[in-house]
Amino acid sequence: GQSLEQPSEVTAVEGAIVQINCTYQTSGFYGLSWYQQHDGGAPTFLSYNALDGLEETGRFSSFLSRSDSYGYLLLQELQMKDSASYFCAVRDSNYQLIWGAGTKLIIKP
Amino acid sequence: NAGVTQTPKFRVLKTGQSMTLLCAQDMNHEYMYWYRQDPGMGLRLIHYSVGEGTTAKGEVPDGYNVSRLKKQNFLLGLESAAPSQTSVYFCASSYGQGGYGYTFGSGTRLTVV
Repeated sequence: GQSLEQPSEVTAVEGAIVQINCTYQTSGFYGLSWYQQHDGGAPTFLSYNALDGLEETGRFSSFLSRSDSYGYLLLQELQMKDSASYFCAVRDSNYQLIWGAGTKLIIKP
Repeated sequence: NAGVTQTPKFRVLKTGQSMTLLCAQDMNHEYMYWYRQDPGMGLRLIHYSVGEGTTAKGEVPDGYNVSRLKKQNFLLGLESAAPSQTSVYFCASSYGQGGYGYTFGSGTRLTVV
């Protein structure tokens, strides 16, 4: 079956760096996406990797290794407003986006 | 720019009742999607559309129907609501299908009693 695995919860300190990992098993691979969702809110797009390597967007970076079926989201200079759930998602060969169950990021002052 | 607008935001249904969730986007996106989100789970695709007049089944289509008569609108219908359909429903749209840059509506919290 198809699946994406990510930790259910990660805790970090304000100002620190945190990495959220995602491993995937899907029928085909056409890109790894990351979305942020605050409690009670809608998911919002953060980043996308189609090729191996690191993509940087401000304080957020995303990495992909297709040979390892693995990616991660790196958040730097953590702020309290970064407290949210983070989802990885992979587009498979059926043009459907398969989602991980989400990682709840808890930030302590 | 409104993006993706969903109505209603909240609804309580009795078992067996029917309803329609409305989704409208003003970004001229070809692709539109209906997802449900349950606690501790990722988003699960119910139905999607790759253009006006087209619809297709996603991962969990049973008990739902959809229509896309106009490019900007995507409707989700529940024919006979069941408690298992209690969930938060999100509509999304995108320019392409790669998972890049989906724009989501604010969600509809549906409770079936």
